[in-house]
Amino acid sequence: GAGVSQSPSNKVTEKGKDVELRCDPISGHTALYWYRQSLGQGLEFLIYFQGNSAPDKSGLPSDRFSAERTGGSVSTLTIQRTQQEDSAVYLCASSLGQGANEQYFGPGTRLTVT
Amino acid sequence: GDSVTQMEGPVTLSEEAFLTINCTYTATGYPSLFWYVQYPGEGLQLLLKATKADDKGSNKGFEATYRKETTSFHLEKGSVQVSDSAVYFCALRPPEVYNTDKLIFGTGTRLQVFP
Repeated sequence: GAGVSQSPSNKVTEKGKDVELRCDPISGHTALYWYRQSLGQGLEFLIYFQGNSAPDKSGLPSDRFSAERTGGSVSTLTIQRTQQEDSAVYLCASSLGQGANEQYFGPGTRLTVT
Repeated sequence: GDSVTQMEGPVTLSEEAFLTINCTYTATGYPSLFWYVQYPGEGLQLLLKATKADDKGSNKGFEATYRKETTSFHLEKGSVQVSDSAVYFCALRPPEVYNTDKLIFGTGTRLQVFP
């Protein structure tokens, strides 16, 4: 079956602009996660959804970052007023639910802020 | 807070050599432990896991044992192949009582295997 998909695969934006990144999880997966992979910081957790609610959003780096999930499926990560330090690969993952033993990762969105 | 430390890379080996990638962790309680692998041009995928002390995870010839006494989860393989060249990430997931399902990753170790 289809895996986790993310769009766009690449995004170049100017500093100060807003961007939206989209994640389509595996059908039937109730848990969804966003991570960020950058050279300086490695792989960092951003936010975890169970259904449409976010029990853990402790990894969001600032109030410029927000995420939502609707219908227990698609999620959107929004970064407002982008900064150069936001440049990274944003990874989405999904799983069958809290405590499931595997998170399935998407291919990521490479964000470049110029 | 919880954290994972893994050895710096790159690790460079000849084919059929023995591999060890060290991983230690700091965590409250009894986390679950994972090794994820990222092959060139591909996404992260689970390699193996262990959910309680003394469990051994294994897959594709790789093994790792959850050692509570040394807070370690070292990755080993007896005979590496060129196709094992990838970046390997050690990760932990805090116990469920903390109402989070996040993974905390180490910095990754690049393995390069030459024929």
